[in-house]
Amino acid sequence: DIQMTQSPSFLSASVGDRVTINCKASQNINKYLDWYQQKLGEAPKLLIYNTNSLHTGIPSRFSGSGSGTDFTLTISSLQPEDVATYFCLQHNSGLTFGSGTKLEIK
Amino acid sequence: EVQLQQSGPEVGRPGSSVKISCKASGYTFTDYVMNWVKQSPGQGLEWIGWIDPEYGSTDYAEKFKKKATLTADTSSSTAYIQLSSLTSEDTATYFCAQYYDGFAYWGQGTLVTVSS
Repeated sequence: DIQMTQSPSFLSASVGDRVTINCKASQNINKYLDWYQQKLGEAPKLLIYNTNSLHTGIPSRFSGSGSGTDFTLTISSLQPEDVATYFCLQHNSGLTFGSGTKLEIK
Repeated sequence: EVQLQQSGPEVGRPGSSVKISCKASGYTFTDYVMNWVKQSPGQGLEWIGWIDPEYGSTDYAEKFKKKATLTADTSSSTAYIQLSSLTSEDTATYFCAQYYDGFAYWGQGTLVTVSS
């Protein structure tokens, strides 16, 4: 099974900051990595699919990059509404979620 | 508009079973597999498995092969997950979700509480 190591687990940043969240796969997953945002009490929301494709309606401040085993979600300018937990998901072989990054505003 | 409407919260006794439904609308039910995802309290997400409603074929994560049974009723566009031999480890919120270029559509989640 493919394991996903997500870091950091917790992140505190100021409005306007550039924020990066990382996911590392235990083996090559090509480009098959998605990013999700989950706010308290809600279902997860798709942000990015297949490493760098922005889902419909998602603000352009969100972007994804990487390949193979190392992937990054970047928020270019943090907004108050971005407070949430973020998860990565690999779908190259089965489906495995990362453990999550809780993002708060400083 | 694609919508996935799940059934309400369930309470199950240890050792019993519960069955959750996910009614799909806004698309042709048999065109997409339906996935199920578990989220334990304050924890992350685990993929349980998927069902292809057109053929009834399924695939499960190894951990859930003896725990979960996925079925689908094409006449009502409804997918189901049955959880058996409940233990405290099964207390969680369960989501159905449609995958196409990402999990773009999710049900609202169903809380299952295992309690005697």
